[in-house]
Amino acid sequence: DAKTTQPNSMESNEEEPVHLPCNHSTISGTDYIHWYRQLPSQGPEYVIHGLTSNVNNRMASLAIAEDRKSSTLILHRATLRDAAVYYCILRDPLNQGGKLIFGQGTELSVKP
Amino acid sequence: GAVVSQHPSWVICKSGTSVKIECRSLDFQATTMFWYRQFPKQSLMLMATSNEGSKATYEQGVEKDKFLINHASLTLSTLTVTSAHPEDSSFYICSARMTGPSLLFYGYTFGSGTRLTVV
Repeated sequence: DAKTTQPNSMESNEEEPVHLPCNHSTISGTDYIHWYRQLPSQGPEYVIHGLTSNVNNRMASLAIAEDRKSSTLILHRATLRDAAVYYCILRDPLNQGGKLIFGQGTELSVKP
Repeated sequence: GAVVSQHPSWVICKSGTSVKIECRSLDFQATTMFWYRQFPKQSLMLMATSNEGSKATYEQGVEKDKFLINHASLTLSTLTVTSAHPEDSSFYICSARMTGPSLLFYGYTFGSGTRLTVV
């Protein structure tokens, strides 16, 4: 399975943008890039996913490098409620039986 | 949006007893559910894939006789931890794939998790 590499932790100030990087140099042509986040003592929550083009939704933006070997999750204005562990996951809908395999993720802390 | 309801949110049981955890998909049908467990300060580890009306597929190293999974309907999957021991104490989470019209993929939705403590 293609793997992702993320920094263990990042810090941000409230109301400032946050850029969470993810490296996936062994990504295959059919792998989608997924981002989920997990708040303390809760199940993960879907954030965004994409294949090649940049994606935007009400929660965040996903910027995908042209060679697809890296991506960045962008939170435009961090709030205290965005403090969570963010997981970047590759998923190939044609393989793996549809399952999501989680890596270690990035623990984001937000300072007021 | 699609919601997966997971119960109980926490449970304490005595060593040697069994515990059942339920996950229900509300307002959508989940043909496939996934079960994870998570130890403190660690990531989620996939335990098994549960398919409605058929046997679950377990990940390598997960004891199928200890972690019984039943997915008898399109809206309910259960995980039973049999003969629980303190080392089974963990956070258990279920997940389902969300699809919309024309099977458009919307991501995965997760239950809120069950904190199991075996004493």
